[in-house]
Amino acid sequence: DGGITQSPKYLFRKEGQNVTLSCEQNLNHDAMYWYRQDPGQGLRLIYYSQIVNDFQKGDIAEGYSVSREKKESFPLTVTSAQKNPTAFYLCASMSTRGRIEQFFGPGTRLTVL
Amino acid sequence: GENVEQHPSTLSVQEGDSAVIKCTYSDSASNYFPWYKQELGKRPQLIIDIRSNVGEKKDQRIAVTLNKTAKHFSLHITETQPEDSAVYFCATIYSGAGSYQLTFGKGTKLSVIP
Repeated sequence: DGGITQSPKYLFRKEGQNVTLSCEQNLNHDAMYWYRQDPGQGLRLIYYSQIVNDFQKGDIAEGYSVSREKKESFPLTVTSAQKNPTAFYLCASMSTRGRIEQFFGPGTRLTVL
Repeated sequence: GENVEQHPSTLSVQEGDSAVIKCTYSDSASNYFPWYKQELGKRPQLIIDIRSNVGEKKDQRIAVTLNKTAKHFSLHITETQPEDSAVYFCATIYSGAGSYQLTFGKGTKLSVIP
């Protein structure tokens, strides 16, 4: 799980503001993912990207946007259109050569005030 | 899309007893089944996984079984210890056409009572 960083660890925002969560990996993985975690809900997929300059919506993409301009970076923007953004956000990358394994970042806890 | 059901949602066991967590899935194309452990406030960590061509896999006190016909797989922890207390997630992975999609269960909170 080393090699994936997320910043910041804690983030507070006022209602109506957009905010961008950072995710960087140096594992040379092609695939990257964003999940949202709420108590009792497990991990729900927001967006994923299998390759640079391409990404796909997950199960709960509404109110979120992403970009994948570089292999190492997959930032997530939580827009004001997301009605209930307070949650724990996890970024992940996946090794697909040889063993299939998903590695998670340490997470960002977003609180909307 | 894939649907993964995980049971139970909470589980309490005495130290030294065994714990079993079960998951069912709906998509027969899923071909890889990892289990993750998440301690409070930390990231999920892979603890064991199994491929669709294997029925059982064991790693010390942890084992996973897979029944592809019935579409269910289980995590078994023997001789539980307090440090096993955490939330455990099952997942399925579909890998095809260069795409890898994971679907997670909702998690099981395991408490090991000393």
